[in-house]
Amino acid sequence: DTGVSQNPRHKITKRGQNVTFRCDPISEHNRLYWYRQTLGQGPEFLTYFQNEAQLEKSRLLSDRFSAERPKGSFSTLEIQRTEQGDSAMYLCASPQGYNEQFFGPGTRLTVL
Amino acid sequence: GQQLNQSPQSMFIQEGEDVSMNCTSSSIFNTWLWYKQDPGEGPVLLIALYKAGELTSNGRLTAQFGITRKDSFLNISASIPSDVGIYFCAGQPNANAGNMLTFGGGTRLMVKP
Repeated sequence: DTGVSQNPRHKITKRGQNVTFRCDPISEHNRLYWYRQTLGQGPEFLTYFQNEAQLEKSRLLSDRFSAERPKGSFSTLEIQRTEQGDSAMYLCASPQGYNEQFFGPGTRLTVL
Repeated sequence: GQQLNQSPQSMFIQEGEDVSMNCTSSSIFNTWLWYKQDPGEGPVLLIALYKAGELTSNGRLTAQFGITRKDSFLNISASIPSDVGIYFCAGQPNANAGNMLTFGGGTRLMVKP
């Protein structure tokens, strides 16, 4: 157990619906990362937060995606008007030490 | 797209054999990390490397940070069935990159008892 939790673990939705995922990172760590992993690939960086500030966003994060970390603790990732290409595992990571990122169990999204 | 080339893509070995896999990049990385991922789970950190030439062990696992900073290697000795999974290398390109990681495509390891 890495101390990073994600909910829900699985989400099945119909194309066009909105979905929201939550990540609760290791407590007292000011950085939080989101990655996306499609089948057969390694995780790809989406965005990261330093406390409540969103400091970097990947080109993968289209305008249908929005992430928040309102109080510098948990974070949410919302996808609006989901598309089949959004089907993937969404991973949250929390660092310890210099750059040892510990991942949560992920949320697997299936868009029908 | 991903910048790390990981090989081999898959390996099917006999229990007890040693395993080697590697990761190469066209650019310099300041940090190399190796993760293992089981189906339906998030990646689990195995080893972290911070200095060129560094050799670090974690039980039966040994990883090295290449001298050129453009490659890393992971070895598993005396494999056992629970070593089955997908192994990913990950690197941090430079100190100002916000510490986000770039991942390789993974090496799928299968162990025959």
